[in-house]
Amino acid sequence: NAGVTQTPKFRVLKTGQSMTLLCAQDMNHEYMYWYRQDPGMGLRLIHYSVGEGTTAKGEVPDGYNVSRLKKQNFLLGLESAAPSQTSVYFCASTPGAYSNQPQHFGDGTRLSIL
Amino acid sequence: KNQVEQSPQSLIILEGKNCTLQCNYTVSPFSNLRWYKQDTGRGPVSLTIMTFSENTKSNGRYTATLDADTKQSSLHITASQLSDSASYICVVSLQVAYKYIFGTGTRLKVLA
Repeated sequence: NAGVTQTPKFRVLKTGQSMTLLCAQDMNHEYMYWYRQDPGMGLRLIHYSVGEGTTAKGEVPDGYNVSRLKKQNFLLGLESAAPSQTSVYFCASTPGAYSNQPQHFGDGTRLSIL
Repeated sequence: KNQVEQSPQSLIILEGKNCTLQCNYTVSPFSNLRWYKQDTGRGPVSLTIMTFSENTKSNGRYTATLDADTKQSSLHITASQLSDSASYICVVSLQVAYKYIFGTGTRLKVLA
């Protein structure tokens, strides 16, 4: 049982380039989330999805887009990468709303923007 | 403003010793409080989840406490092991489906 899988694990981009981060979960969870983790800060929510075909903005959505075409996949896109987007990106999932179940996290994508 | 504050920022202890990590929160409406362990280069992994009515919850050598009146939680680690070296993150869940407030974590280093 893989849980939450993120690809790629590492990536270096130049300013202005675009890329897509992939998150896949095999637990049939409804809710999926994208966070970024920066030094000295708690995880911050970028976008989230409450089910297939739905997406919503989180706390820091600017410069990112997402899609949830299939229930098991949640994609995070950077349209025009900026150095401020250098971070570690984590995907997470939960069974549904108001759940006392834990969030399941992937192992992150470490992204550097030069 | 919803906030979760953790202390200390970092801690070094010797293998076999006990330690306690602190978490204070100002979050409303509160749903539950979680502790996660994050190993270097990995994603957070859940240790405990406590609702408003739960005072204590254990997971092996990890024991979390919650005082909902003072809005404080602690994570006690007993007989520490080298593998306990990690960051420990306190997270408060709101009564809003997608809303979690993350602390900045306590970085624990266990030395042999």
